[in-house]
Amino acid sequence: EVQLLESGGGLVQPGGSLRLSCAVSGFTLSSNIYGMTWVRQAPGQGLEWVATLGDTGDISYYADSVKGRFTVSRDTSKNTVSLQMNSLRDDDTAVYYCARSYYNRFDPWGQGTLVTVSS
Amino acid sequence: IVLTQSPVTLSLSPGERATLSCRASETISTFLAWYQQKPGQAPRLLVYDASNRAPGIPARFSGSGSGTDFTLTISSLEPEDFAVYHCQQRNRWPLTFGGGTRVELK
Repeated sequence: EVQLLESGGGLVQPGGSLRLSCAVSGFTLSSNIYGMTWVRQAPGQGLEWVATLGDTGDISYYADSVKGRFTVSRDTSKNTVSLQMNSLRDDDTAVYYCARSYYNRFDPWGQGTLVTVSS
Repeated sequence: IVLTQSPVTLSLSPGERATLSCRASETISTFLAWYQQKPGQAPRLLVYDASNRAPGIPARFSGSGSGTDFTLTISSLEPEDFAVYHCQQRNRWPLTFGGGTRVELK
């Protein structure tokens, strides 16, 4: 069974940094079959695509709202995907989900981790 | 690409048919997926490429459409189907979601 488990969320001040992790089980990232995506959901709002790391791990795509501030990467030795978030702003407050990507459809999703940016 | 979902809220009773719409601001072929999200839970893939049910999804869920207009139909609502439904396009970057349709108990 494929499972994704996010961690690393919490409270951070505006301008600060946070690193989210997504532990993958049930498949290996090094198979280079699946990409990995981060999607966020602000409180009471809809879903917003944040970033996708391609299936080979060497190409990444970002939403304009996070480009230049967020970086997605993977560690195949640990079978994890990370989202490094810098220069955080109030409007980055959201639940962040990681999801397995296959032809840019997302299945399954992790349970999410809450990031709160506030002073 | 902007995805507009309608209605925002759909109030129905169990056993009724639900028809949800997703309209794209430009043509996206059939590169559209639907997700279901229940309160406090992560989204779950229901339909991909407009009309293909994901593994394990009941047959009462069906998707249709191409180009700019898409529909998710739930043929007969079960109690567990009351949730928020999101559409998502993968035709080009940036990937985008619609604003969601809430199916609530009437």
